[in-house]
Amino acid sequence: GIQVEQSPPDLILQEGANSTLRCNFSDSVNNLQWFHQNPWGQLINLFYIPSGTKQNGRLSATTVATERYSLLYISSSQTTDSGVYFCAVDGGNNRKLIWGLGTSLGVNP
Amino acid sequence: KAGVTQTPRYLIKTRGQQVTLSCSPISGHRSVSWYQQTPGQGLQFLFEYFSETQRNKGNFPGRFSGRQFSNSRSEMNVSTLELGDSALYLCASSRGLNAGELFFGEGSRLTVL
Repeated sequence: GIQVEQSPPDLILQEGANSTLRCNFSDSVNNLQWFHQNPWGQLINLFYIPSGTKQNGRLSATTVATERYSLLYISSSQTTDSGVYFCAVDGGNNRKLIWGLGTSLGVNP
Repeated sequence: KAGVTQTPRYLIKTRGQQVTLSCSPISGHRSVSWYQQTPGQGLQFLFEYFSETQRNKGNFPGRFSGRQFSNSRSEMNVSTLELGDSALYLCASSRGLNAGELFFGEGSRLTVL
């Protein structure tokens, strides 16, 4: 089955810094989503991005489907950005999402 | 519009008991899927329901079951609870079976003693 790898596994930033999170996947996918899990456990949709680039405020994401990776950019980080960022892909055969192990982000004031 | 609603948010059970968790999807969404999240295993797919039928199933024992009602609300049940069933159970809804974007509820955190 499809393998999803995220890097880095952990990241600590000072408030105001920028960061790039990466998601590699081992086969072609029908869709890719980025999620943020807050400290209370809720998964928040960030981007639904099977290909191309999208931006939402300080966050943007780019998926290069032909090279099997996606990047999530966080600019001017804030303490509320802390949490775990997950990448999940849908390989299409049975539609269940395959999840990476996440990047745990901590933003210090 | 209201998001995905899961109840209860927190619960404590003892080994051998059974538990039922409920999920109400976003209005108009007909697909509901369930995930188990544990610190060691990450997010694991349990099953997906669409139009009251289970469409996909993950690799979990038969103690884990679910169903979906005509209003798209879904329940999952775990029987004969084990300590290892302690986890955050997350429900997600999407518009249809082939609509990829998922929206998650806040989860039900189960502790088995």
